[in-house]
Amino acid sequence: DAGITQSPRYKITETGRQVTLMCHQTWSHSYMFWYRQDLGHGLRLIYYSAAADITDKGEVPDGYVVSRSKTENFPLTLESATRSQTSVYFCASKEGSGNTIYFGEGSWLTVV
Amino acid sequence: QKEVEQNSGPLSVPEGAIASLNCTYSDRGSQSFFWYRQYSGKSPELIMFIYSNGDKEDGRFTAQLNKASQYVSLLIRDSQPSDSATYLCAVNDGNQFYFGTGTSLTVIP
Repeated sequence: DAGITQSPRYKITETGRQVTLMCHQTWSHSYMFWYRQDLGHGLRLIYYSAAADITDKGEVPDGYVVSRSKTENFPLTLESATRSQTSVYFCASKEGSGNTIYFGEGSWLTVV
Repeated sequence: QKEVEQNSGPLSVPEGAIASLNCTYSDRGSQSFFWYRQYSGKSPELIMFIYSNGDKEDGRFTAQLNKASQYVSLLIRDSQPSDSATYLCAVNDGNQFYFGTGTSLTVIP
């Protein structure tokens, strides 16, 4: 049971480049989430999606774009990466009626 | 903005002792509360959740909820070195989840 998989797991990119982090889940969960985790800030919600083609902003959406054309995929794009976007990014999902979220392994992104 | 506050620690306890982790939250209307464990370099994993006032036990773990005081805690009995991790408290508001910054626990053999 693969659950949620994220790719790439580790990425170094330059300031100003576009970066896409991929997230794929095999549970057919309707909800998917993107969080970033930074020291001193904990997990902060970037965007979430209730279903295919339905997305909404979280706490820190600026500089990020998401899409969800298929239920199982929820890519996160940094249109023009900045050093402040250096972070660990976690994708998560939950069933529509459920109240527990499950996390992917994380993607470590460094912007230089 | 939902606030979830945790003491960042670090909290150190000897092996076999009880570790007590605390969390407060700002939204009095919050209904569900979660404890996640996160090992260094890994993703958070759910330990347990609690909805009702009082205690909920699962093995060595006990979650305690006091909605009047807006306080939730996690007790770990018979602490083991493998319990050394960061513990995240979370509350949900509909389909959004808000996390504390976590408490770092070290169990000393």
